[in-house]
Amino acid sequence: DTGVSQDPRHKITKRGQNVTFRCDPISEHNRLYWYRQTLGQGPEFLTYFQNEAQLEKSRLLSDRFSAERPKGSFSTLEIQRTEQGDSAMYLCASSLIGAQGGYTFGSGTRLTVV
Amino acid sequence: EDQVTQSPEALRLQEGESSSLNCSYTVSGLRGLFWYRQDPGKGPEFLFTLYSAGEEKEKERLKATLTKKESFLHITAPKPEDSATYLCAASTGTASKLTFGTGTRLQVTL
Repeated sequence: DTGVSQDPRHKITKRGQNVTFRCDPISEHNRLYWYRQTLGQGPEFLTYFQNEAQLEKSRLLSDRFSAERPKGSFSTLEIQRTEQGDSAMYLCASSLIGAQGGYTFGSGTRLTVV
Repeated sequence: EDQVTQSPEALRLQEGESSSLNCSYTVSGLRGLFWYRQDPGKGPEFLFTLYSAGEEKEKERLKATLTKKESFLHITAPKPEDSATYLCAASTGTASKLTFGTGTRLQVTL
């Protein structure tokens, strides 16, 4: 297993367009997390899945954001009607239940909204 | 609201000059305190997990310690390749979600 993969690495989009990011976790990991990181800040929790169930969402996650994890494997994060404030690094991480934060992070998707 | 504060924001050391990074936390129900290293343009890389006050962990030139209110990352005789942002995070709740600090940007020069 090569770790957590995220695609694309970079995305530039015009304001108002929709974008979708993909995350492939480590195959045996049953928890998957999405975080967002802006320049000079630490990552902020967005949402997490245990298997295919989305169990918690941050209040940072507006109605324009939706995440899925069909069949408990890969996950997608979609942002509709992008705004300039959505520009950030979107990080995906995975772990086993009870791994106590020993997450493995992907390299992230850098989103720039112009 | 859970809070994690790191200091200093930035630190410049000469090679071999030891120092410590601080992480103070105010959270309810701490499940663990974590240190990550992040290089520019990459995701955080896991370094340590500490679970209880008094616990210490070491890896090469890094040593992490934990008290009831703060954690320290001690860097002994750093090398230029230790240059990175070091992030501290507290794990809370059944989801084990992490609340991160803003990080300390470490630069080690020759």
